[in-house]
Amino acid sequence: DSGVTQTPKHLITATGQRVTLRCSPRSGDLSVYWYQQSLDQGLQFLIQYYNGEERAKGNILERFSAQQFPDLHSELNLSSLELGDSALYFCASSVAGRQDLTGTQYFGPGTRLTVL
Amino acid sequence: KNQVEQSPQSLIILEGKNCTLQCNYTVSPFSNLRWYKQDTGRGPVSLTIMTFSENTKSNGRYTATLDADTKQSSLHITASQLSDSASYICVVSALQYGNKLVFGAGTILRVKS
Repeated sequence: DSGVTQTPKHLITATGQRVTLRCSPRSGDLSVYWYQQSLDQGLQFLIQYYNGEERAKGNILERFSAQQFPDLHSELNLSSLELGDSALYFCASSVAGRQDLTGTQYFGPGTRLTVL
Repeated sequence: KNQVEQSPQSLIILEGKNCTLQCNYTVSPFSNLRWYKQDTGRGPVSLTIMTFSENTKSNGRYTATLDADTKQSSLHITASQLSDSASYICVVSALQYGNKLVFGAGTILRVKS
């Protein structure tokens, strides 16, 4: 158990809909990262928040947005969903604010999103 | 072209045997290279993290090596166990991309009895 929690575990929805994925980081970790993992692709970095502020942006679509709240939990909002958005979405947390530092990122169990 | 390429794509070995997974990267400069293990349907777990100045790092039966001159890393698994069956992902921290992590596609390892 990494100490990172994600809800829900599974989500099935229809195209055009909007969903919210939730992540609680490990106690003491200030950074939260969101990743997408499709069946035929590796992990793709989406976005990072550090202590409530956006720190780094990856390949995140405009239809997707995220935020980190004062209690450090984070939410990833996916809107106008398309079939291609079906994937595993992982959240990770770390103490460090910069990805290049050697601190470990701890990954949550993921949310499997299926768009029908 | 992927900046982090892993080989082989998949591998099947017998329990108890050793194996070596390869990672070639073009990201430069970089600050660190990581190996993760990901069980099917679960989040990745960190195995090793090496800075550009380190040549080798071990974590139990896992040993990672790094040659920054040739931009190659390898992950050696000794005396494999059934529980080693997983995807192994090489990740490079890319200074040229604002220190973001660049992930390889992974090598799927299956250990059979």
